[in-house]
Amino acid sequence: GAVVSQHPSWVICKSGTSVKIECRSLDFQATTMFWYRQFPKQSLMLMATSNEGSKATYEQGVEKDKFLINHASLTLSTLTVTSAHPEDSSFYICSVAQGRDTEAFFGQGTRLTVV
Amino acid sequence: GQQLNQSPQSMFIQEGEDVSMNCTSSSIFNTWLWYKQDPGEGPVLLIALYKAGELTSNGRLTAQFGITRKDSFLNISASIPSDVGIYFCAGRGRGFKTIFGAGTRLFVKA
Repeated sequence: GAVVSQHPSWVICKSGTSVKIECRSLDFQATTMFWYRQFPKQSLMLMATSNEGSKATYEQGVEKDKFLINHASLTLSTLTVTSAHPEDSSFYICSVAQGRDTEAFFGQGTRLTVV
Repeated sequence: GQQLNQSPQSMFIQEGEDVSMNCTSSSIFNTWLWYKQDPGEGPVLLIALYKAGELTSNGRLTAQFGITRKDSFLNISASIPSDVGIYFCAGRGRGFKTIFGAGTRLFVKA
């Protein structure tokens, strides 16, 4: 399956600052990547679909100006949490699917703590 | 929108026992997936199912894609302590979106 790498694994930032999280597909060119958020003891919630070379598609209730997604190449998507607040503290995970109706492979996740 | 109902929420079992968990949905899915997540890590794919009625095994794990395409189950036989973790079912409809169930927390007592 696809190998997906996320960076950083964890980050602590001050309230009001912005944080960028990278998701790389190491062995597969991904036209589509996905960003999820997971709060403690909860399931993964899809935030947005990242499309290479075009705008991301955001799920209902996710602020696109708050969570900026850039998918500039077939192997890299970035999620920037702008003006972070403590309530943005969460586990952010990206995934890659090699085709429609196939399995998705996940990065190791990024633990964001906003203080 | 599409939702998955996963049960049970948690299970406390003795080492050696078999485990069964399932997911149901009001929507049809083209692919059913089962993942395991350890604390602080991303989900790891256990089994992928692509056809209605398909029964697939991966070691001590067995999963089936329901004939109606609206449900799936995962069985773990002869559980061991390292089976501890959170198990998620996930469904994919048309396109790339993957929807997750709420998860089943498995606790195994040695």
